[in-house]
Amino acid sequence: AQSVAQPEDQVNVAEGNPLTVKCTYSVSGNPYLFWYVQYPNRGLQFLLKYITGDNLVKGSYGFEAEFNKSQTSFHLKKPSALVSDSALYFCAVNKGTGFQKLVFGTGTRLLVSP
Amino acid sequence: DAGVIQSPRHEVTEMGQEVTLRCKPISGHNSLFWYRQTMMRGLELLIYFNNNVPIDDSGMPEDRFSAKMPNASFSTLKIQPSEPRDSAVYFCASSSDRGRVNYGYTFGSGTRLTVV
Repeated sequence: AQSVAQPEDQVNVAEGNPLTVKCTYSVSGNPYLFWYVQYPNRGLQFLLKYITGDNLVKGSYGFEAEFNKSQTSFHLKKPSALVSDSALYFCAVNKGTGFQKLVFGTGTRLLVSP
Repeated sequence: DAGVIQSPRHEVTEMGQEVTLRCKPISGHNSLFWYRQTMMRGLELLIYFNNNVPIDDSGMPEDRFSAKMPNASFSTLKIQPSEPRDSAVYFCASSSDRGRVNYGYTFGSGTRLTVV
C-alpha cells in the first residue's frame, strides 16, 4: 500500500530564512508525488508535482521540491520564506500507473514569523 | 474554468436532520473525490468515483453517509440523520486520468458543516 509521512506537525521559520517541510513516501514502483497548500478557510491548492525527469521540481510561489529515490523523500523547500507562506502543507503520493487515488500525509503547519 | 464548485459554503443544521452537500467537478474531469477534514482526524477520503462509478467507499464512516454521481457534472454527499460528530469541512476534488496518468486533484473551497 502507498503512504506518505510528514514527520513534523509544525515548522517555524523567520521571514527571509530558508524553509524545508519534510515528506517521505512508501510506494511500490515509480511514485508520482505532489505538494498542496491550504490557507485558512480555503481548499487545498496544488503547488507542484514530480512525475518523471529532473529530480528538482519548481512550483508556484517560489517553492521547489527535490525527489530523492534512495531516501524515498520529497522535501518541500523555499530559499527565502515570507510571512504569507504561513499555511498548512500536504504531501501526497500516487502510484502513477493506471488510475489510483492520491494518498495524503497528515499535513505540516508552517509558521513564518516577521 | 470556474474550478470545482461546492455548495453550500456553510451549513448549520440540527441533529437528526438530513444534509445534502453538492459538487460540480471541472468539465472534462472523470474522477471525483469526497474528503472530510477535522482537527482531530485530518484529511480523510470518504469515497471516490471514476467515470461516475463509485470505486472505493471504504472511507464512508457509516450507513448514515451516502454519495451519488448521477452524471459527469454533478455529485452529492448526503448525511441522514446528521449527528454533531459529523461537523467538519467537506471537500470535493476532481481529476482526470485520461491517458492513464493522474496529474493530481483540483479541490473545491469546501462546505463547512455544523450539526448542533
